[in-house]
Amino acid sequence: NAGVTQTPKFQVLKTGQSMTLQCAQDMNHNSMYWYRQDPGMGLRLIYYSASEGTTDKGEVPNGYNVSRLNKREFSLRLESAAPSQTSVYFCASSGRQGGEQYFGPGTRLTVT
Amino acid sequence: DQQVKQNSPSLSVQEGRISILNCDYTNSMFDYFLWYKKYPAEGPTFLISISSIKDKNEDGRFTVFLNKSAKHLSLHIVPSQPGDSAVYFCAALTYTSGTYKYIFGTGTRLKVLA
Repeated sequence: NAGVTQTPKFQVLKTGQSMTLQCAQDMNHNSMYWYRQDPGMGLRLIYYSASEGTTDKGEVPNGYNVSRLNKREFSLRLESAAPSQTSVYFCASSGRQGGEQYFGPGTRLTVT
Repeated sequence: DQQVKQNSPSLSVQEGRISILNCDYTNSMFDYFLWYKKYPAEGPTFLISISSIKDKNEDGRFTVFLNKSAKHLSLHIVPSQPGDSAVYFCAALTYTSGTYKYIFGTGTRLKVLA
């Protein structure tokens, strides 16, 4: 039982490049989330998926897209990376809406 | 506008003593409050939560107190141990427009000195 896994752990992109951050959970959770963490800013919600087949914008969705591929997997895509997207990205899942969240180990992304 | 605030970026406490981490919020419609602990290079892990209808919840060395009139909650760790050194985030949960959303504070870095 791995919980929530994220790949890659680290990534360096040039401005304008694209990439997809992968997230998977093996806890049969319905809800999944993507956050970014910046110094002094806490965790800010980018997108979330309350259940398979649905996705909604969070607090800071601009520049990102998501796909809830199936119940296990929720990916985050940067179509044209910008230096402002340099951050640590966390994926989380929850067994029920409103329950505690389980977080992955994070992806540290640097855009130069 | 920050709806959940942790005004102390850092806190140092001697091993064995009490650690008190504070969190203030502005929205009286929050349903639940949660505390998460985060070690470097790891994701946050859930620690303890409290419903907005309660004023205290205890789990081992960890107790969360909620003062609704002051819109303030605190996490008490007694006794503090070196392994408690981490960043602690408080989070508030609200249900609006058919969706649950979590709002996180900026975190407090706790250092427990041996």
